[in-house]
Amino acid sequence: EAQVTQNPRYLITVTGKKLTVTCSQNMNHEYMSWYRQDPGLGLRQIYYSMNVEVTDKGDVPEGYKVSRKEKRNFPLILESPSPNQTSLYFCASSPRQGYGGYTFGSGTRLTVV
Amino acid sequence: LAKTTQPISMDSYEGQEVNITCSHNNIATNDYITWYQQFPSQGPRFIIQGYKTKVTNEVASLFIPADRKSSTLSLPRVSLSDTAVYYCLVGPGTTGRRALTFGSGTRLQVQP
Repeated sequence: EAQVTQNPRYLITVTGKKLTVTCSQNMNHEYMSWYRQDPGLGLRQIYYSMNVEVTDKGDVPEGYKVSRKEKRNFPLILESPSPNQTSLYFCASSPRQGYGGYTFGSGTRLTVV
Repeated sequence: LAKTTQPISMDSYEGQEVNITCSHNNIATNDYITWYQQFPSQGPRFIIQGYKTKVTNEVASLFIPADRKSSTLSLPRVSLSDTAVYYCLVGPGTTGRRALTFGSGTRLQVQP
């Protein structure tokens, strides 16, 4: 089944403890991106990647890192999480930027205490 | 950056046609218009994409006027299961590197 898989689905962590949210797609898509969704603020793009080893900042990149070493994987790294990063995170992919719409993962609900 | 404006909410009844309009006055020449549906605690789901004129698929139609400064998503004969938030996204085509910005979405409530 064609899909975008995020792990974990739920995560509670403490301030300052590094964490990684994984994202993997099995559709050979070139484009991948991360979003956070907060009540009243909609979906905001954190980082995106046009292809392997090509990453760019989105609208809200502060406090996050990404890497794209393989086409299928696009992990989101929080080096020192803070409570304001408590949010619902989505990973998405598409064959190429802008082409055919984006397939989203099921989301990761992160709570930083 | 193409900013989008949509109504915050809409109400409808089962069996009716629903039209949701999105305004995007500063759309760029190579931008596409895409609509997504989102249910609570789920990722957005692709509905339809277009560049100009009219596009139709098995679930919706997308109308884009010649100036492309707005677009209208049309859902024929909605059902209770269409209750969701609908997002209009205006984003770059296959060329150019640019961040994507979703609007605030339209919350559609379908009543029996």
